Amino acid sequence: GESVGLHLPTLSVQEGDNSIINCAYSNSASDYFIWYKQESGKGPQFIIDIRSNMDKRQGQRVTVLLNKTVKHLSLQIAATQPGDSAVYFCAETPDQNFVFGPGTRLSVLP
Amino acid sequence: DTEVTQTPKHLVMGMTNKKSLKCEQHMGHRAMYWYKQKAKKPPELMFVYSYEKLSINESVPSRFSPECPNSSLLNLHLHALQPEDSALYLCASSQGADTQYFGPGTRLTVL
Repeated sequence: GESVGLHLPTLSVQEGDNSIINCAYSNSASDYFIWYKQESGKGPQFIIDIRSNMDKRQGQRVTVLLNKTVKHLSLQIAATQPGDSAVYFCAETPDQNFVFGPGTRLSVLP
Repeated sequence: DTEVTQTPKHLVMGMTNKKSLKCEQHMGHRAMYWYKQKAKKPPELMFVYSYEKLSINESVPSRFSPECPNSSLLNLHLHALQPEDSALYLCASSQGADTQYFGPGTRLTVL
């Protein structure tokens, strides 16, 4: 079946720098996308979402960009903090069935 | 309140045991989900309940039996599991095809 994938499995950034986590999706029918953060031993936590009629959406320190032409989704975290260390999953859904990408582990270096 | 609760937090069981995982949400969501997550992998959908009716079963073995007693509760009954079933079992809920809110999960170990 169609799947969502990530370009990098791990990402290390210096504290205070900006982080960019990428995601490629293949289902052109997907109209809703979500980024989740999962810390060790916890369930996925909603960060931000975007619908296919938008290109960009901003939250507190996070921005999601959607490029439908190349089926690419990215999560930008400004001024990355130690508490941002986690695995980040993108998920897409054309319907009720969410499809998760493989995840990117973000490590924040002191 | 965007909380989904799951019990127990940890569960160890033998291959001949029968146990149940429980999930509860009070957000008025009409869709509830069970996911299985192996280490270093994304969550994999197992079951979806919509308006208390099973709407999706992702070819899950019959040793996993879901139950939705009411709109706030979701159970997953386990029987005759295998060691490869050891994983983190996540429950989620949503209002339709919208953001899914996840519980903390139950860490299951099958001996």
